[in-house]
Formats: sequence, structure tokens, C-alpha cells
Amino acid sequence: DTEVTQTPKHLVMGMTNKKSLKCEQHMGHRAMYWYKQKAKKPPELMFVYSYEKLSINESVPSRFSPECPNSSLLNLHLHALQPEDSALYLCASSPLAGPRTDTQYFGPGTRLTVL
Amino acid sequence: EDQVTQSPEALRLQEGESSSLNCSYTVSGLRGLFWYRQDPGKGPEFLFTLYSAGEEKEKERLKATLTKKESFLHITAPKPEDSATYLCAVQAARSNTGKLIFGQGTTLQVKP
Repeated sequence: DTEVTQTPKHLVMGMTNKKSLKCEQHMGHRAMYWYKQKAKKPPELMFVYSYEKLSINESVPSRFSPECPNSSLLNLHLHALQPEDSALYLCASSPLAGPRTDTQYFGPGTRLTVL
Repeated sequence: EDQVTQSPEALRLQEGESSSLNCSYTVSGLRGLFWYRQDPGKGPEFLFTLYSAGEEKEKERLKATLTKKESFLHITAPKPEDSATYLCAVQAARSNTGKLIFGQGTTLQVKP
């Protein structure tokens, strides 16, 4: 089973709201990723967690705050977002992150709209 | 600079009309090349991973091949349900974090 789940599917929030996106996998993968995807563009990497530790932050604004509570869960906390942050947010996981070629499996995404 | 270029940007085919999508890459040592299929508003679905030049992989109507400079995704006798955006991505050998470098994608439309 190569399933990554994400909740919610859709989220509408105001610029002053605080919300969280959730991602879960039960494949025993030790690397998890957050991507942002705008319409007709490829996914852009935001964060990488390896063995529950943040290993990459692609210069993402602090209004996005990732959290990895355990090896199966990944959260993305959102606060004071801007309308230009509206996008499809994708979570992915892979067996490992590091000096190996590991396929990343993506979840269905959360469609975020910031008003 | 590591770079991935996909062509064509868009492709329209009649059902049954075979064709190929191209993914050209420039990377300082290739660790792996990945093909994904993405339907509108959904997450990318994994198709293939290729590791070295000369490697080929097949799945139903799709066949992926790899050379030292490019990869092709061959679609044989496509059906309307093959309509989607196909994404190519590479992972550089020097990457310690699994970062993928994506191309812009090829949007395929198959008409019945």
C-alpha cells in the first residue's frame, strides 16, 4: 500500500486565521515532505523531515510552520497567510531521505484558499 | 545549474494514436529520474523510477526509457483516460535530502 492521506481536502481561511494541514502515512517511511503547487506549475518543495527532524527549509516564510509529531504524521501550521499563498498543498513520503534514490509518494493534496 | 525541460508543453492525440513525451535534464550526476501522472486538482501519482542510461520500464500502455541526457515516456494506443499532466523529475547525486527537480510538465489530451 502506497497511500499518503491528507486532511482537509479543502480549506478556506481569512488572513488572520490560524489553521493546520495534516498528513499521515503508514508505510514506515522515514522521510516526509511538504510541497506547494500553483495552477499549471510543478510542485515546489517547502520542507523535508528526515527521521522526524527538519532537514530542509526552502526559505519558506515563517507564517508556515511545519511539525512532525511522530514518524507517521506531518502537520503544517498556517498563520497570517496572504492571498498569494492560495495553492494546492501536497504532502509526500519516501522510505528515506539522503544519499539514496527513493521514490516519493504524494498525497491527494489540500486545496487552500486565503481570502 | 540542475534543470529539467519537458516537451511538448501540451499534446493532443486521437484515441489509439501513439506518441512520446520528452524530458531533457541537466544535472551534476543523476541519482534517479521519476515520472508522475497528475490529474487536475489531485496529487501526483507515481509511475516510474529510472536509475541508469539504457534502463526501460513498462506499465500498461506506458513505457519509460532513459539516456544520459533525456528520458522518454512512450504512450502506445492511448485511451481518453490517459489524459492528464505528466511530470518528470530528477534527483541529483549530490543531494543529501532527496530534493526533486521538476520539469514544467506535459499536458496530454486524448480524444475519443
